[in-house]
Amino acid sequence: QTVVTQEPSLSVSPGGTVTLTCGLSSGPVSTSYSPAWYQQTPGQAPRTLIYSTNIRSSGIPDRFSGSILGNKGALTITGAQADDESDYYCALYMGSTNWVFGGGTKLTVL
Amino acid sequence: EEQLVESGGGLVKPGGSLRLSCAASGFTFSDAWMAWVRQAPGKGLEWVGHIKSMGSGGTTDYAAPVKGRFTVSRDDSKSTVYLQMNNLKTEDTAVYYCSHTGRYDFWTWGQGTLVTVSS
Repeated sequence: QTVVTQEPSLSVSPGGTVTLTCGLSSGPVSTSYSPAWYQQTPGQAPRTLIYSTNIRSSGIPDRFSGSILGNKGALTITGAQADDESDYYCALYMGSTNWVFGGGTKLTVL
Repeated sequence: EEQLVESGGGLVKPGGSLRLSCAASGFTFSDAWMAWVRQAPGKGLEWVGHIKSMGSGGTTDYAAPVKGRFTVSRDDSKSTVYLQMNNLKTEDTAVYYCSHTGRYDFWTWGQGTLVTVSS
């Protein structure tokens, strides 16, 4: 069974930089998995931040960036703000219109 | 602006059925690939199923836990995608979101509709 791994929780200071990662139990994450990142605050629908590894969705500020770091997908937030405190989910495309989400990272800004 | 509005959630007994709807606007629905994603209480996101545009064959795919019980369909004349859920189990309790997808990613999301399966 394919498992997508994320840090359960991370913290960052206001104005700081933090990187969230997205790993794959079966091997390295590459651009062919089209890693994407979604932000969700409690009680709200997810919001697409990044898709196709590094393309920012419409209206997303450029302090959010996506990349491949080593063998994982990565979301970097530069200049963190209080309203970045959210749950972040990555998703990997596994082929044949089949996706697997990671378990999510709870980001605290303090 | 793209908008997706889900409806049809509610309380249903185990073994029962429910049909969710998702009305789309703000984009050319007939060209769109659409998906359903769910989130159990306090848990993460889980892809449920997907339907391609009719121009891409209109084919569907499903996650293993729902295959054979759930069916995704579309009515392009109404710009609506549906999720027919049969033989519901308690573990299907979740908020169900519809999403307009690209070939590889989820682009926009609806606000979700809650399905509770309980006796």
